[in-house]
Amino acid sequence: AQSVSQHNHHVILSEAASLELGCNYSYGGTVNLFWYVQYPGQHLQLLLKYFSGDPLVKGIKGFEAEFIKSKFSFNLRKPSVQWSDTAEYFCAAYNTNAGKSTFGDGTTLTVKP
Amino acid sequence: GAGVSQTPSNKVTEKGKYVELRCDPISGHTALYWYRQSLGQGPEFLIYFQGTGAADDSGLPNDRFFAVRPEGSVSTLKIQRTERGDSAVYLCASSSQGSHMNTEAFFGQGTRLTVV
Repeated sequence: AQSVSQHNHHVILSEAASLELGCNYSYGGTVNLFWYVQYPGQHLQLLLKYFSGDPLVKGIKGFEAEFIKSKFSFNLRKPSVQWSDTAEYFCAAYNTNAGKSTFGDGTTLTVKP
Repeated sequence: GAGVSQTPSNKVTEKGKYVELRCDPISGHTALYWYRQSLGQGPEFLIYFQGTGAADDSGLPNDRFFAVRPEGSVSTLKIQRTERGDSAVYLCASSSQGSHMNTEAFFGQGTRLTVV
């Protein structure tokens, strides 16, 4: 069965630190990949997505992610986090053949001012 | 409307009761999705509508769960004979086109269902 794994359940960083959140998916076929963010008290919002083309995708608020097909990974990065990045981050994969979407269990990011 | 609206925001019900959760998608969005999010987990797909029809209902856990979208806009998720294990946040999302997650989906804030 298709699955999405997020390696870190809770990450705590100081402001200006660099961020990398891991995401691995299990399906070997064609997938669309997403990162969503949920700020405290708010709904899920799309950060960035990868469908095809350049494997390095840039999203909102300075976030980027790199699709590495050989590693089945789609890690999220930001060079310098801010306190306002405190939120829960979800990686998701959509299997285009089966028409199924799967979310990871999320990573809670806490940024200390 | 400006975004996806879900009502109620919170619902507490007794075990065995019937509940309805409502989703009002972004105006003009043809695709609508329901997800369930349990504590400490990511959203779990339940059902996807394209227009009025359920294009994929394979995520519904059992026949106590049912959803409708009679006019291709508002959708209602219905849960019969609720069980304590149904307690979760039920999320609705809509998108402007295409099949499931081929394009950006916009999420509502969810309905937190608690079965006591």
